[in-house]
Amino acid sequence: KAGVTQTPRYLIKTRGQQVTLSCSPISGHRSVSWYQQTPGQGLQFLFEYFSETQRNKGNFPGRFSGRQFSNSRSEMNVSTLELGDSALYLCASSSSGQGFLGANVLTFGAGSRLTVL
Amino acid sequence: GEDVEQSLFLSVREGDSSVINCTYTDSSSTYLYWYKQEPGAGLQLLTYIFSNMDMKQDQRLTVLLNKKDKHLSLRIADTQTGDSAIYFCAALKPNMRFGAGTRLTVKP
Repeated sequence: KAGVTQTPRYLIKTRGQQVTLSCSPISGHRSVSWYQQTPGQGLQFLFEYFSETQRNKGNFPGRFSGRQFSNSRSEMNVSTLELGDSALYLCASSSSGQGFLGANVLTFGAGSRLTVL
Repeated sequence: GEDVEQSLFLSVREGDSSVINCTYTDSSSTYLYWYKQEPGAGLQLLTYIFSNMDMKQDQRLTVLLNKKDKHLSLRIADTQTGDSAIYFCAALKPNMRFGAGTRLTVKP
């Protein structure tokens, strides 16, 4: 069974540009969550999608957005990049998602490392 | 304060036991988790425990939960150099809240 696939793995952008990251969840998983990981702030929750609907959103500015397609693949977009957006962006999928009863076990991808110059 | 707190570093000798500690603030967290992250990789689930349990054992891993003190620990028996990684504690309520991670170094 294929794991969670994130593309691209590495990318470099300059301030003011925008970026789109992609996540393909485990087959059959309907929930996709995104996290930002930085040395200073640790792992911070960005948002969660379940069946194409955003169910939860973390405390990030509107420059961070996402969407989920009917095949459960998800993309996140960051517009008007700032230096502080440099981070490892992790995607995780689960079968049930948050808000359902149960353990909500997340399976993470390897991440997309974004460097903003 | 932070929702989930962990000490940042732990160093042990190969063959010893490692104990990684975590405290959380929200007593209504339903599940608590331990994840492992190796360099250049995402997070890998090690184990999780439901909040009405006190202990869970899985091979070399033992999780202890003290719900009264909101304290979670992960014990790794017979620690190996391959266990060197960052270990994250996480609590589910309602979103997944992660600690800052404990970097475990295993010395031969």
